Amino acid sequence: QKEVEQNSGPLSVPEGAIASLNCTYSDRGSQSFFWYRQYSGKSPELIMSIYSNGDKEDGRFTAQLNKASQYVSLLIRDSQPSDSATYLCAVKGAGSYQLTFGKGTKLSVIP
Amino acid sequence: DADVTQTPRNRITKTGKRIMLECSQTKGHDRMYWYRQDPGLGLRLIYYSFDVKDINKGEISDGYSVSRQAQAKFSLSLESAIPNQTALYFCATSDFGEGAFFGQGTRLTVV
Repeated sequence: QKEVEQNSGPLSVPEGAIASLNCTYSDRGSQSFFWYRQYSGKSPELIMSIYSNGDKEDGRFTAQLNKASQYVSLLIRDSQPSDSATYLCAVKGAGSYQLTFGKGTKLSVIP
Repeated sequence: DADVTQTPRNRITKTGKRIMLECSQTKGHDRMYWYRQDPGLGLRLIYYSFDVKDINKGEISDGYSVSRQAQAKFSLSLESAIPNQTALYFCATSDFGEGAFFGQGTRLTVV
């Protein structure tokens, strides 16, 4: 059973701070990793993809991947109240077309 | 217009009724998926399809069936709805190696 684990939160950070969201996965053969943002009652929105070890930056977002530790994280710099949402980690295995999702971490950015 | 369109957006139905949820996409992706989302349980895969002739069960396919009418259309049916099928349903599409792109969701209530 492939598993993706996330702390459910809520994670509260003050406006302007760095929010750090973490995810671990069980399938060592996983090849593709994604972060989604989901506002309450809305659909998940793909915000970051990462495929190799290291960091990938896109604006205020940085995804970090460590395959040896089976760990992927998302950093949000200069957090804004509009970043308040649930963040879903998703993992795709080698040769697999299926995404396995974590249950999400709820982020609250306090003005 | 949305790249992935689901209809209806909201539906209330009675126990035992047959209901169909429809999904169409303009992204040109071959791969299409149906997920359901429940509080505390996250996103769970119901069915997925790689092309018109290929349909696969996900982790929670019991009580559901699907039809891939065309590359761009993938429908989900509940043959005899029951209350524990009350959930938020999402259709999604993806290309090889990419994350999935979600429709707006259908909120289904079975009474």
